[in-house]
Amino acid sequence: AQSVTQLGSHVSVSEGALVLLRCNYSSSVPPYLFWYVQYPNQGLQLLLKYTSAATLVKGINGFEAEFKKSETSFHLTKPSAHMSDAAEYFCAVIPSGGYQKVTFGTGTKLQVIP
Amino acid sequence: DTAVSQTPKYLVTQMGNDKSIKCEQNLGHDTMYWYKQDSKKFLKIMFSYNNKELIINETVPNRFSPKSPDKAHLNLHINSLELGDSAVYFCASSQVLAGGTDTQYFGPGTRLTVL
Repeated sequence: AQSVTQLGSHVSVSEGALVLLRCNYSSSVPPYLFWYVQYPNQGLQLLLKYTSAATLVKGINGFEAEFKKSETSFHLTKPSAHMSDAAEYFCAVIPSGGYQKVTFGTGTKLQVIP
Repeated sequence: DTAVSQTPKYLVTQMGNDKSIKCEQNLGHDTMYWYKQDSKKFLKIMFSYNNKELIINETVPNRFSPKSPDKAHLNLHINSLELGDSAVYFCASSQVLAGGTDTQYFGPGTRLTVL
């Protein structure tokens, strides 16, 4: 069965600093991977997705993620944090060939310190 | 234009009551979902419908009954509400493609509080 692990339920960074949110998956074959963001009292919004094309995926709001098969990772990064990036971030996985059954990670709350 | 909408946004009710949450999507998608997000923000899929047919049912108590009158709607009816049902319920939709890679679009959520 597939699973996804997000290391760190809370991450704090200073405004302008690098953002790194970690996500590791376990799957027998490379799955399809997503990062979603949830702002307070809102639904989930897609940041970016990996679908077996380019391993470096660029998303909205300056975020990007790199798929590393050897490390079974899909970490999310942003070079310079902005106050508006404060939110909950979820990594998610769908098995390749699977029927849309998404498994979400437990989420990482990003705090941006002025 | 809201892509995926849910009503109501907030729902407060007494234990033992029956309540419904409605979901509508105007994206033309053929697949819709219900997720439950608990107090620790953990998101878990409950149901998925494709072209009005149930395709995923994740061992949810049978007090929960989804109903899909058409491809654009997926409602969630909950009987005999319990305290543990308190959560935020999210509806989502997607268009199934070969390989199952399409993005799911989420509604704003319905915060259910059972007293």
